[in-house]
Amino acid sequence: DTEVTQTPKHLVMGMTNKKSLKCEQHMGHRAMYWYKQKAKKPPELMFVYSYEKLSINESVPSRFSPECPNSSLLNLHLHALQPEDSALYLCASSGVLRNTEAFFGQGTRLTVV
Amino acid sequence: DAKTTQPTSMDCAEGRAANLPCNHSTISGNEYVYWYRQIHSQGPQYIIHGLKNNETNEMASLIITEDRKSSTLILPHATLRDTAVYYCIVRLTLINTGTASKLTFGTGTRLQVTL
Repeated sequence: DTEVTQTPKHLVMGMTNKKSLKCEQHMGHRAMYWYKQKAKKPPELMFVYSYEKLSINESVPSRFSPECPNSSLLNLHLHALQPEDSALYLCASSGVLRNTEAFFGQGTRLTVV
Repeated sequence: DAKTTQPTSMDCAEGRAANLPCNHSTISGNEYVYWYRQIHSQGPQYIIHGLKNNETNEMASLIITEDRKSSTLILPHATLRDTAVYYCIVRLTLINTGTASKLTFGTGTRLQVTL
C-alpha cells in the first residue's frame, strides 16, 4: 500500500471557523510533511515531522497548527484563516533514515470565505 | 538545498522521447537529484532519483552529468497521459540523523504532449 489519504477533499470555511485537515499513511514512514500550493505555483513546504516530532517549520503563521498524534496520522489545525490562505494543501510521507522517495496525497482544496 | 533551473515549458509529440533538462550547478556531494511530476489538480508523483550514476525504472531514465551540475529526465515514449508539470529537486541526504530533509520544489517544466 503506497497510499497517502487526505480528508476532506474539499473544505470551505469562514474566517472565524476552526477546522482540521487529516492525513493518514500505513507505509511505516516516520517522516511526514505538509505543503501549501497556490494555483499555477509549485508546492511550498510548511512543516516536516520526523518520528512524530516537529523538525522543520518554514516560518508558517501560527493560525496553522500541525499535530502528529502517532506514526500514521498527521493533522493540520486551522484557525482564523484569511482568504489568501485558500489553496491546495498536500500531505506527504517518506522514510527518514534512508534517502527514499516521498509519497503525496491528493490534497485538500481549501477555500476561506 | 541547491537551487535548480528548468525550462518553463516544452512540447513533445506522442510516441517520441521527451528529454527534460535540469541545471543544478551548486549541487553538493551529499545531495540527490529527484524528479516528480504533477498532473493537473493531483498530488505530485515520484518518478526517479539518483546520486551520480544514471538510473532507469519503468517510468523513465535519469542521466546525470559526470560533474553532477545538470541532469536530464527521459520519458522514452511520451503519451498524452504524460502531460504534466515536471519538477527537478535537489535533496540533502541525511543518513542516521533521525531527521528528514526538506523536499523543496522549484518552478518546474510544463510538458505538453501532443498528437
